[in-house]
Amino acid sequence: AQKITQTQPGMFVQEKEAVTLDCTYDTSDPSYGLFWYKQPSSGEMIFLIYQGSYDQQNATEGRYSLNFQKARKSANLVISASQLGDSAMYFCAMRERERDDKIIFGKGTRLHILP
Amino acid sequence: DTGVSQNPRHKITKRGQNVTFRCDPISEHNRLYWYRQTLGQGPEFLTYFQNEAQLEKSRLLSDRFSAERPKGSFSTLEIQRTEQGDSAMYLCASTHVGEGNEKLFFGSGTQLSVL
Repeated sequence: AQKITQTQPGMFVQEKEAVTLDCTYDTSDPSYGLFWYKQPSSGEMIFLIYQGSYDQQNATEGRYSLNFQKARKSANLVISASQLGDSAMYFCAMRERERDDKIIFGKGTRLHILP
Repeated sequence: DTGVSQNPRHKITKRGQNVTFRCDPISEHNRLYWYRQTLGQGPEFLTYFQNEAQLEKSRLLSDRFSAERPKGSFSTLEIQRTEQGDSAMYLCASTHVGEGNEKLFFGSGTQLSVL
């Protein structure tokens, strides 16, 4: 079974609109962390945002925020005021601290920002 | 801090040959990961190290794959008797466990093409 599920293989969004990228995860570990990475066409992996399972507040980093719904096991990435440079692959990742402590990735969502 | 360095950037080999890739993590990072990524997919976990100890190797990985991190610094990934299905980008990432969100820092990868 998939531990990280990203159900949107591709999305098209108009520039300056907000966009939500979905991520659901599966774990029974009480202590875990969730990450989002961006991979532009250049191939580099860029860290965007992190949410710990015990964090009380949703994480925010500039235009990025993480909509963390623990009961639903959902960790959606919200990008406000999208820009052309946001066009990239986006990956959700999880670390289960007590189980095996490794970081695994979802299959990703390709985001296209339209001018 | 020069970032995570991977060599070579590209490797073209004939089926059946052995190849070895090297990863130099950020100094003082105690955890190192190897991932494999094919076009349009997320990074697939291969193995990871805590200092020089290999913590886990993916069960999906055949015995042709081996990795070492002999002194807890650089790491090598060897693929013996390469097959065309091994063609992929091999990514190395490092982090320091114990400092909060422990985000991964990625190298630029080694692109392997097996002819």
